[in-house]
Amino acid sequence: DVKVTQSSRYLVKRTGEKVFLECVQDMDHENMFWYRQDPGLGLRLIYFSYDVKMKEKGDIPEGYSVSREKKERFSLILESASTNQTSMYLCASTDRAADWGQRHFGDGTRLSIL
Amino acid sequence: GENVEQHPSTLSVQEGDSAVIKCTYSDSASNYFPWYKQELGKRPQLIIDIRSNVGEKKDQRIAVTLNKTAKHFSLHITETQPEDSAVYFCALPDASGSARQLTFGSGTQLTVLP
Repeated sequence: DVKVTQSSRYLVKRTGEKVFLECVQDMDHENMFWYRQDPGLGLRLIYFSYDVKMKEKGDIPEGYSVSREKKERFSLILESASTNQTSMYLCASTDRAADWGQRHFGDGTRLSIL
Repeated sequence: GENVEQHPSTLSVQEGDSAVIKCTYSDSASNYFPWYKQELGKRPQLIIDIRSNVGEKKDQRIAVTLNKTAKHFSLHITETQPEDSAVYFCALPDASGSARQLTFGSGTQLTVLP
């Protein structure tokens, strides 16, 4: 069974802080994703990575960056946190051979920016 | 990503009744249509999917129908039970751009009343 682990379930940070959200998957998946989930807006893609050191912008990349130094780990970085980045963040992975629609999600990190 | 509209945003049904959630899309060559379920406080999980070469697929009490001509696909839940209460998301792969993009609908909060 695929395991996608996010480092924190809940996180509280202050405006202007640099925030790191970590995600690790244990199935040697090629592709990893970061989504943001807000009520009424569904899941919106922030960034994704299809290989180590490779990244592509999703639909809402502004204010975020990512890092993929190892295949199993994909980090989301808020360079200077702002209150409008308060949200639920979901990491997901899928392998190269998987159907495009399959995503294995982590439990999410609920981030509050004060 | 693709444009996908999901309706309704909230749905309440009596236990034992049926529930239908519909997603429409504007323009896509996609051939794969997944549905995800997210229970309160848990991760989204794929529950059923359909490919464009079939019009309907069933798995016990859930089914998905696809109308490619009208560009919509629907999730049907029969004999609803309290454990069906959750947020349901449709999704649409981006067939024209990056093969790894997945656009989610805005979600439907289904409540099954005892």
